[in-house]
Amino acid sequence: QVQLVQSGAEVKKPGSSVKVSCKASGGPFRSYAMNWVRQAPGQGLEWMGGIIPIFGTADYAQKLQGRLTITTDDFTNTVYMELSSLRSEDTAVYFCASSSGYLPEYFQHWGQGTLVTVSS
Amino acid sequence: EIVLTQSPGTLSLSPGERATLSCRAGQSVSSSLAWYQQKPGQAPRLLVYGASTRATGIPDRFSGSGSGTDFTLTISRLEPEDFAVYYCQQYGSSPRTFGQGTKVEIK
Repeated sequence: QVQLVQSGAEVKKPGSSVKVSCKASGGPFRSYAMNWVRQAPGQGLEWMGGIIPIFGTADYAQKLQGRLTITTDDFTNTVYMELSSLRSEDTAVYFCASSSGYLPEYFQHWGQGTLVTVSS
Repeated sequence: EIVLTQSPGTLSLSPGERATLSCRAGQSVSSSLAWYQQKPGQAPRLLVYGASTRATGIPDRFSGSGSGTDFTLTISRLEPEDFAVYYCQQYGSSPRTFGQGTKVEIK
């Protein structure tokens, strides 16, 4: 059973960057895609992007292109989400989620979520 | 991107009743559709993938159907723990997109 544990809450200034981590255990890390999904307060779910660890290739939602970077560390089984040029609209809970296979399809296992607050 | 429209926005039902949730895609996603349940303060939980395959550990009162553009999640008899928000998600093309959610509330 894959378990995903995320880093703690962050408070950031507009224009700065945030990097959230997600450590995976209980499964072969390079065999499944890792994704990031966010949820603004009181809103629905938004897929941000995903990475295929075995290939090291990432797919990003177009609206976040240029601001979002998803990377992995195979030695620590950790995936990172870095979002730059933060604005108030980026305030949300950020979830990492693993797919069942190496393509970022549906999201089988989820982290507990990390609240990122962007405020001056 | 493929827009998913869920209906109704809110469903008010009593425990023991049947819930029928709809998800319509702006273009065909074949059977590449999943359903999730989310309770307040929690991460979503995968219920169904491939439009009709229940995820591991999901009770058989949950069932998914449909293909192409029209999909349905049915909860045959609502249990108290089933009152939550439900989202559909397509993975037929990138970007992956979610519906806006259906809240199932206690009547």
